[in-house]
Amino acid sequence: GQNIDQPTEMTATEGAIVQINCTYQTSGFNGLFWYQQHAGEAPTFLSYNVLDGLEEKGRFSSFLSRSKGYSYLLLKELQMKDSASYLCAAMDSNYQLIWGAGTKLIIKP
Amino acid sequence: IAGITQAPTSQILAAGRRMTLRCTQDMRHNAMYWYRQDLGLGLRLIHYSNTAGTTGKGEVPDGYSVSRANTDDFPLTLASAVPSQTSVYFCASSDEGGNSPLHFGNGTRLTVT
Repeated sequence: GQNIDQPTEMTATEGAIVQINCTYQTSGFNGLFWYQQHAGEAPTFLSYNVLDGLEEKGRFSSFLSRSKGYSYLLLKELQMKDSASYLCAAMDSNYQLIWGAGTKLIIKP
Repeated sequence: IAGITQAPTSQILAAGRRMTLRCTQDMRHNAMYWYRQDLGLGLRLIHYSNTAGTTGKGEVPDGYSVSRANTDDFPLTLASAVPSQTSVYFCASSDEGGNSPLHFGNGTRLTVT
């Protein structure tokens, strides 16, 4: 079967760095997405990886290892507004997205 | 402002009633999707449409129907609502191409009593 695993909840301190991990099993692979979702709001796109390696975009970076079925989202210089859920989604061979349940990130001052 | 508009924002519905959730986008995206989001679960695809005039079933299509008469509109209908359809419903669209990100509407919170 196809599935995505990511931690349910993480806590970090303002100004620190946090890494949110995601492992996936899909029938074929056409890339991995990360979305941010604030409570009560819609998910918004953060990053897309299809090749191995690190993609950096400001304070946020995303890493992919296709051979390990593994990705992580790295958030640096954490701000209170980064408190949100982070959704990992892998695209299978039919270009269908398989979604994780999301990681709720709590930022403490 | 370009984007996706969903209506209503929230609704309480008696079981057995019919309900249509509206979704309109002005980005001229060909692909549109309906997802439901439930606590502890990932987003689950209900129905999708790759282009006007075509629709397809997602992971959890039972009890739901869609139509795509034009590019902009993609309504979702619950023919006879049941309590298990209590959820937050998100409409999304994307440009063509497998790696195109999804743009989501603000969601409809539906409670079936």
